[in-house]
Amino acid sequence: EVQLLESGGGLGQPGGSLRLSCAASGFTFSSYAMSWARQAPGKGPEWVSTISDDGVGTYYADSMKGRFTISRDNSKNTVYLQMNSLRAEDTAVYYCAKAGGLHTPNYYMHVWGKGTTVTVSS
Amino acid sequence: QSVLTQPPSVSGAPGQRVTISCTGITSTIGAGYDVHWYQQLPGTAPKLLIYGDTNRPSGVPDRFSGSKSGTSASLAITGLQAEDEADYYCQSYDSSLSGYVFGTGTKVTVL
Repeated sequence: EVQLLESGGGLGQPGGSLRLSCAASGFTFSSYAMSWARQAPGKGPEWVSTISDDGVGTYYADSMKGRFTISRDNSKNTVYLQMNSLRAEDTAVYYCAKAGGLHTPNYYMHVWGKGTTVTVSS
Repeated sequence: QSVLTQPPSVSGAPGQRVTISCTGITSTIGAGYDVHWYQQLPGTAPKLLIYGDTNRPSGVPDRFSGSKSGTSASLAITGLQAEDEADYYCQSYDSSLSGYVFGTGTKVTVL
């Protein structure tokens, strides 16, 4: 069974940083792209970023470019999201997802984790 | 605002058929990019319902079906059940944004 466990959420200061992790199990991690999406309170999901299976390809939503960095460690079956220059509007539940589809632009979010909550406030 | 527009809500009685539209633009669905659908039950993470316009992942009942034509896509639920009461979102790719986009979301209510 595919399992995705996010961690690292919490309270972040405006302008500060947080690093989210997502530990994966139940599938051959190094064979799949991975994505992050977020959902602000009362809003729909928003795609954040995707990384290819080998980590070479990284893709970001415009509002995250230059502030967020996605990475992965295939030896640890873990994907990360480094979030810098945090803003109040980054407050959301952040979900990790195992991507379906072979390559961009055909990725979709096949299996989602339960999410980790990020709150940006002073 | 999203470039994929959905009706805010649809409703139906148990057993009925309901459809949810997802209207895109020429840089999204109109460009031929795949459309995917997700179901989000209250308090839970979204779950993939349809991928690649019409395909159901294993375990998704065949009461759920997807279609696409031109700049729009649709999700149909036949034999509506109480457990189908949830929020539904479409998702595709936008070449003008070079990124993935979700629809505005539709709340399905079972009367």
